[in-house]
Amino acid sequence: EPEVTQTPSHQVTQMGQEVILRCVPISNHLYFYWYRQILGQKVEFLVSFYNNEISEKSEIFDDQFSVERPDGSNFTLKIRSTKLEDSAMYFCASSGTGVPEAFFGQGTRLTVV
Amino acid sequence: QKEVEQNSGPLSVPEGAIASLNCTYSDRGSQSFFWYRQYSGKSPELIMSIYSNGDKEDGRFTAQLNKASQYVSLLIRDSQPSDSATYLCAVSGSARQLTFGSGTQLTVLP
Repeated sequence: EPEVTQTPSHQVTQMGQEVILRCVPISNHLYFYWYRQILGQKVEFLVSFYNNEISEKSEIFDDQFSVERPDGSNFTLKIRSTKLEDSAMYFCASSGTGVPEAFFGQGTRLTVV
Repeated sequence: QKEVEQNSGPLSVPEGAIASLNCTYSDRGSQSFFWYRQYSGKSPELIMSIYSNGDKEDGRFTAQLNKASQYVSLLIRDSQPSDSATYLCAVSGSARQLTFGSGTQLTVLP
């Protein structure tokens, strides 16, 4: 069964460093998303991406964040100058062009120390 | 500000019973409604989607939608211990991004 895959599963970084979280969406999906979940809190929308550009972004997704589709399969989230409060699970998701059902990857646990 | 509200629980039911999970949403323009299951430390797993008023059944799961009341529910029949998880209600409009509730923690007791 097709699935969204994310790497790495766990990333530890020092405050102020840049991190890149990687995702391979389901192959025939055209909508891609990043969500995050701080421990014990709700899953929060960060950004959606369609047709090689950002289609929606939340207030969380400020200049510290960027997304890119560097090739035909990968979708990345870059976080510049990480802060302690960026520690969270980051989920990539994708959906097809028909029904908007979104399927999530297994997540990357980001720990900023 | 779009809000999705769920009873946080915890909700405990005995094995074999029906578990009933509820969700309300604030945005009347919402078009799509989803239930995700999340095991501790794992990612959300889609279990049901519903788009029109009424009931939708899939195996032991039934989703119910009432747009006039801005209410979505999930019934789990013949609950099993493996159903113990947090159930997330999620809602989207034309812009596809999901707004999640805080989840209801379900425990099915053997």
